[in-house]
Amino acid sequence: DAGVIQSPRHEVTEMGQEVTLRCKPISGHDYLFWYRQTMMRGLELLIYFNNNVPIDDSGMPEDRFSAKMPNASFSTLKIQPSEPRDSAVYFCASSLTDYNTGELFFGEGSRLTVL
Amino acid sequence: GEDVEQSLFLSVREGDSSVINCTYTDSSSTYLYWYKQEPGAGLQLLTYIFSNMDMKQDQRLTVLLNKKDKHLSLRIADTQTGDSAIYFCAESTKLSFGAGTTVTVRA
Repeated sequence: DAGVIQSPRHEVTEMGQEVTLRCKPISGHDYLFWYRQTMMRGLELLIYFNNNVPIDDSGMPEDRFSAKMPNASFSTLKIQPSEPRDSAVYFCASSLTDYNTGELFFGEGSRLTVL
Repeated sequence: GEDVEQSLFLSVREGDSSVINCTYTDSSSTYLYWYKQEPGAGLQLLTYIFSNMDMKQDQRLTVLLNKKDKHLSLRIADTQTGDSAIYFCAESTKLSFGAGTTVTVRA
């Protein structure tokens, strides 16, 4: 299996622009997670889906952030408009079973720089 | 405070043991995890422990869990240069991760 695939790996954009990050989970995994990693705050859970349905989005910073999962093999995280403080590495992860017992498989991350 | 806390840096000599410590707040966590992140890569599960266990050993790795103090530790025996990475402690209830401990192995 190819693992969790994220794109783009690197994104540099200017403040105010829209950013879309993409994720393809491992086939057959029921859960999909979006995390953000920064030096200041470490790894934060933004949102997670079960069977394409958002379950908990309490970690989404504000209305500028939105996430969708239109089907079992694709998810997007969108930031509009982007701000410099959004600069971070964004990770997507998927899990086969109930996350309480299952391992999370992480993608390699999308490094976002907002100038 | 944060759900999961861990020290940020650890420097260890090659061949020595490394001990990474973590504290967590949610006593209902069923599983506690250690993930490893190598440069430029995502996190990978290293090991985990079920909450009704005190200790788990897996080759060079030993996980100790003190539920009373909500303290988790990871010991790496005979630390090698390939063990240089960021190590994250995580709990299963809120899927919270610590900030990560950067382990540097020096020759």
